[in-house]
Parts: sequence; structure tokens; C-alpha cells
Amino acid sequence: QVQLVESGGGLVKPGGSLRLSCAASGFIFSDYYMSWIRQAPGKGLEWVSYITINGRSIHYADSVKGRFTISRDNARNSFYLQMNSLRAEDSAVYYCARHLGPGGDLPFDYWGQGTLVTVSS
Amino acid sequence: SFDLTQPPSTSVSPGQTARITCSGDNLGEKYVCWYQQKPGQSPVLVIYEDRKRPSGIPERFSGSNSGNTATLTIGGTQAMDEADYYCQAWDSNAAVFGGGTKLSVL
Repeated sequence: QVQLVESGGGLVKPGGSLRLSCAASGFIFSDYYMSWIRQAPGKGLEWVSYITINGRSIHYADSVKGRFTISRDNARNSFYLQMNSLRAEDSAVYYCARHLGPGGDLPFDYWGQGTLVTVSS
Repeated sequence: SFDLTQPPSTSVSPGQTARITCSGDNLGEKYVCWYQQKPGQSPVLVIYEDRKRPSGIPERFSGSNSGNTATLTIGGTQAMDEADYYCQAWDSNAAVFGGGTKLSVL
């Protein structure tokens, strides 16, 4: 069955960096667009970024543009989120999610369990 | 920027019909999907392309979208349907979520 497993979250100081990973299994990873979505404690969902099948097209939310970088390794069935210049407002549970197919404007049909990022001094 | 607005909360009695709205400019021209999130769990897709149900989602979940408003309808609401519900659409290569609606089944 489809599984998405995030890792890499933790406590980091403001201005620091963190790299999140999402390991996929149970489907042909290279056939799907993938996204990162976050949820601050007690708040709603906020889309962060998505990457196309071959990684040639990437899109970011304005709130993270220039600080976060999404990438993928189809050989490893994994994709990543490099987060730099972290701020307190980046504190959230970060979910990786699969798009319903090879399209940017498709819903997210599978989600990981999330990994918590806390930015605090 | 494109925004989606949902009521923060709503309540329904067991067995009754719950309706949750999502408003946005000309929303009817976009596809809307809905996610259910229970406490401590990841979101689950319950409706996509306005009215389609993924495999495994009960028939009591339905959706519509016209004009500036999309609606998630849960017919014969059960206690297990108590959750937060989020609408979502795409605008200029960015996914936009509504603020979420907490559905209480009282």
C-alpha cells in the first residue's frame, strides 16, 4: 500500500537550517508530483512547495520562497525539503503528500504522518 | 492573492445533514477538494474535483461547487465524522487551503 514517511524534523534555532526527507513506497514514485504541506500547532493547513516528476519545475509558497528548496531522487523513491534561514513562524508539523497524478493542480491523495519542526532559541 | 473562507465551526445532530461552505472569488471556475482531519491524524481526502469521492469514502459525503461557493455535505452524520474539514483549490501553481471548519456532532 502507499506509504509516505517523513523524517528530519527537530528543534533548531532561528536562522538555522534543517533538511526534511520523505520516503515513498507502494507506488511508482517517478510517476507522481509531490508536495510539502505544513500545519502550525493548532492552526490550519498551509501548502509549502511542489515538485514535478523530473524535478524540472518547482513551485513555492511566497512565505518560503528564497529560503526553502525542494528536490527529489527518483532512484531512492524520496524527496526532500531543505529549509534555511528558519524563523519562529516556520514551526509546524510538515507533511509530505502525493498529488493524485502527474499534475500540479491535482488534490493530495496520500499524506505522511508528519514531522515536527520547532524553531526556537 | 486568492483566499478561501470557511466558517470556523458548525454543529449537527447525529443522523442529520451537515453542510460546510467554502467561499472564494469565482470559485466555481476551479476544482475544489475537501480534506477531513481528526485530532492527531493526517488529513484524508474525502472529495475531489468538486464532487468525486475517493475509494473508501462513504457515500454520505458529497460536494458541489457553483458561483463563489463550494459546499461539502455529509448526509446522516455520524459521531465518527466529527473532525476538522478543509477545502482546497489551486491558483497560479499554488495550493490554497481554507482556514478549516470544526464539525461537532452533538
